[in-house]
Amino acid sequence: AQTVTQSQPEMSVQEAETVTLSCTYDTSENNYYLFWYKQPPSRQMILVIRQEAYKQQNATENRFSVNFQKAAKSFSLKISDSQLGDTAMYFCAFMISGTYKYIFGTGTRLKVLA
Amino acid sequence: DTGVSQDPRHKITKRGQNVTFRCDPISEHNRLYWYRQTLGQGPEFLTYFQNEAQLEKSRLLSDRFSAERPKGSFSTLEIQRTEQGDSAMYLCASSPRLATDTQYFGPGTRLTVL
Repeated sequence: AQTVTQSQPEMSVQEAETVTLSCTYDTSENNYYLFWYKQPPSRQMILVIRQEAYKQQNATENRFSVNFQKAAKSFSLKISDSQLGDTAMYFCAFMISGTYKYIFGTGTRLKVLA
Repeated sequence: DTGVSQDPRHKITKRGQNVTFRCDPISEHNRLYWYRQTLGQGPEFLTYFQNEAQLEKSRLLSDRFSAERPKGSFSTLEIQRTEQGDSAMYLCASSPRLATDTQYFGPGTRLTVL
């Protein structure tokens, strides 16, 4: 069975600092996509960053970057220069190519402190 | 582009009643998904449509649940004879024809069964 594990239920970071959220997953498939979604309090989930498993280069979106280690099945999210607006629940997810359904982790609640 | 919308945003019902939720995907997105998110958990896949065809249903979708997308546009999710265990956030997402790996989520419908 495919699973996603986020081992940090809660984290906090000072404004302007850097924080890394961890995610590991388990699958025997070779072709898949990985995602980080952000769910602010009482608001909808929005895509932060995506990674195609066949690409070795780590994805980057402005202050957000990932460390994708395919052999270790690890997909961590680094947030640089943290802002108060980054306070949210962050979900790691993956999708086996062609299946069209996401498998999510349990989330990490991130609080950015002023 | 107005995003995925869901109606109602909140629903409180008594055990045994039927409820129906509506999801309007982003215009021209041909795939539509339903997920359920319980407190402290990540979303879990329920079902998805490609145009009007329902292509996959999770075993989480018991006989009391039914979903439709009659004209390939909006979708409805009906729960019959609700139980307290049905209390959750029901999320809808859609994805475009040419980027099917990325899903765009709506704000969700929070169901409380008393």
